[in-house]
Amino acid sequence: TQLLEQSPQFLSIQEGENLTVYCNSSSVFSSLQWYRQEPGEGPVLLVTVVTGGEVKKLKRLTFQFGDARKDSSLHITAAQPGDTGLYLCRTGANNLFFGTGTRLTVIP
Amino acid sequence: NAGVTQTPKFQVLKTGQSMTLQCAQDMNHEYMSWYRQDPGMGLRLIHYSVGAGITDQGEVPNGYNVSRSTTEDFPLRLLSAAPSQTSVYFCASSSTRQGGGGYTFGSGTRLTVV
Repeated sequence: TQLLEQSPQFLSIQEGENLTVYCNSSSVFSSLQWYRQEPGEGPVLLVTVVTGGEVKKLKRLTFQFGDARKDSSLHITAAQPGDTGLYLCRTGANNLFFGTGTRLTVIP
Repeated sequence: NAGVTQTPKFQVLKTGQSMTLQCAQDMNHEYMSWYRQDPGMGLRLIHYSVGAGITDQGEVPNGYNVSRSTTEDFPLRLLSAAPSQTSVYFCASSSTRQGGGGYTFGSGTRLTVV
């Protein structure tokens, strides 16, 4: 059972463009994490959001947790080739699942 | 460097062979887990452990065994390899199962079963 739906599945953009990827569910979560996975490596934690409506910024990355704590978004401003990777969301508490991910390619 | 170490990085097995994937962490994490990652399927939990001597099944445990004799080590055993077990395997650790501080992943083992 896949509780987390991520969209889009694939995204290819030019360097300098902005983008948003989404993580959605019908369930309420106590917290949600975003990870980035580069080719040949394991996922690395980017951020944890725990409060409905919470917004966190990490340089050019902005993470938002939905008010109802059922969805989250990741917005990247002025994408760079170094942002290329697989972006995964993960639930916390009793529903410990990863989404299937968004594979982002930033073309120089 | 502190973290999660997985060995080997690549492995090719013949159908029916057995092998053990090694995972070690030096962060004194109580929680350790194994995932497999397949295209379009995301990360799926195979087995996990909340401490030495305690293991439990995840979403896709069939064909795999684990044990946790020490806090540091959590090996994954393939009993009789099948082509369906061709995948990339990741070991992850955290201070707790909920992983509020995030999971730390190893760099993976790419396994091909022919």
